[in-house]
Amino acid sequence: EVQLVQSGAEVKKPGESLKISCQGSGYSFSDYWIGWVRQMPGKGLEWLGILYPGDSNTRYSPSLQGQVTISADKPISTAYLQWSSLKASDTAMYYCARVGSKFGYFYFDYWGQGTLVTVSS
Amino acid sequence: DIQLTQSPSFLSASVGDRVTITCRASQGISSYLAWYQQKPGKAPKLLIYGATTLQSGVPSRLSGSGSGTEFTLTISSLQPEDFATYYCQQLDRYPYTFGQGTKLEIK
Repeated sequence: EVQLVQSGAEVKKPGESLKISCQGSGYSFSDYWIGWVRQMPGKGLEWLGILYPGDSNTRYSPSLQGQVTISADKPISTAYLQWSSLKASDTAMYYCARVGSKFGYFYFDYWGQGTLVTVSS
Repeated sequence: DIQLTQSPSFLSASVGDRVTITCRASQGISSYLAWYQQKPGKAPKLLIYGATTLQSGVPSRLSGSGSGTEFTLTISSLQPEDFATYYCQQLDRYPYTFGQGTKLEIK
């Protein structure tokens, strides 16, 4: 059974750093792109970026590039989303999701349970 | 970036109704469109990919159509479990943007 399990909720202060995780199981982690999606309180879904663990190829949303870093540790089948200096506007639920494909089409087929990040002074 | 505009943003309907949600892309995306359902406090769930292909396990009362710039998600006979928020997503070009969402509420 494919599962993505994310790290627990975080409460941080502005300016602090943070790294949240997403561990995949039940499939070959290196062979599927994995992405991150943000959902600010009461708002819609926002695509942040994706990474291919096989070669660490990474694509970011232009609006977020430089503000977050996506990485992965293949031996432990874990993807990460990190910030070097959090802002209050980073307060949101963050989801990881696996990119599946069939017939040449892509989609997010499995999702993590979400990690709530709260940034407040 | 490719913009996706969903209409309506809010929809009030009754059990048994047929409803249609539209997603318009700012440029052609062939059939590289997926639909998701999200319930409060839960992660999104994949419903349809490739604009028309139902994900395994999704009820056949849901269907998707369209290509190019205009797409629709139709629920033929609403069931209580269908009341949720629905999002389209284009996976043709980076960034893989989402529509703003359509909240389907019980009338």
